[in-house]
Amino acid sequence: EVQLEQSGAEVKKPGESLKISCKGSGYSLTNYWIAWVRQMPGKGLEWMGIIYPGDSYTLYSPSFQGQVTISADKSSSTAYLQWSSLKASDTAIYYCATSRSSSHYYYMDVWGTGTTVTVSS
Amino acid sequence: DIQMTQSPSSLSASIGDRVSISCRASQSIITYLNWYQQKPGKAPKLLIYGASSLQSGVPSRFSGSGSGTDFTLTIRSLQPEDCATYYCQQSYSTPRTFGQGTKVEIK
Repeated sequence: EVQLEQSGAEVKKPGESLKISCKGSGYSLTNYWIAWVRQMPGKGLEWMGIIYPGDSYTLYSPSFQGQVTISADKSSSTAYLQWSSLKASDTAIYYCATSRSSSHYYYMDVWGTGTTVTVSS
Repeated sequence: DIQMTQSPSSLSASIGDRVSISCRASQSIITYLNWYQQKPGKAPKLLIYGASSLQSGVPSRFSGSGSGTDFTLTIRSLQPEDCATYYCQQSYSTPRTFGQGTKVEIK
């Protein structure tokens, strides 16, 4: 069974750096794209970007370009989302999900449980 | 970016009712449209992809239709476990934007 295991909740101060992870099991992470999705408290879903762990090709939403870095380590089947300087507005749940396709339709069918990031002074 | 607009933002219906949620894209996305269900405190779950293809394991009371810019998610006979927020998402181009969500409650 394909599963994505996300790292635990984080509490950080503004200006601190952070790297959260998403580890795939039950399949090779290099075979599928991994997407990151943000959900701010009480709000909807926002697509942040996507990475192909096989060659680390990455696409960002313009809203998140330059604000976060998406990376992957194919040897450990792990994708990462990182910030160099957190802001209070980064407080959210962050989900990773496999982005797979069938007949050229892309969809996110396996989701991690989410990592809650709280940024507060 | 392609903008996705859902309506209504919320609805209340009785068990057994037929429920429809609309999703409109700001430009044609052909049939590159997914629907997700999210229950409180849980990760989203894929229901429909390609506008009308039911994901494996999803009850057949869920169906999707539409093409171009207008799409609909229909729940044929609402069940208590369908209480959730539903999101559409376009996969025509990046960024793969979501609608703002529709909260479905039981009356």
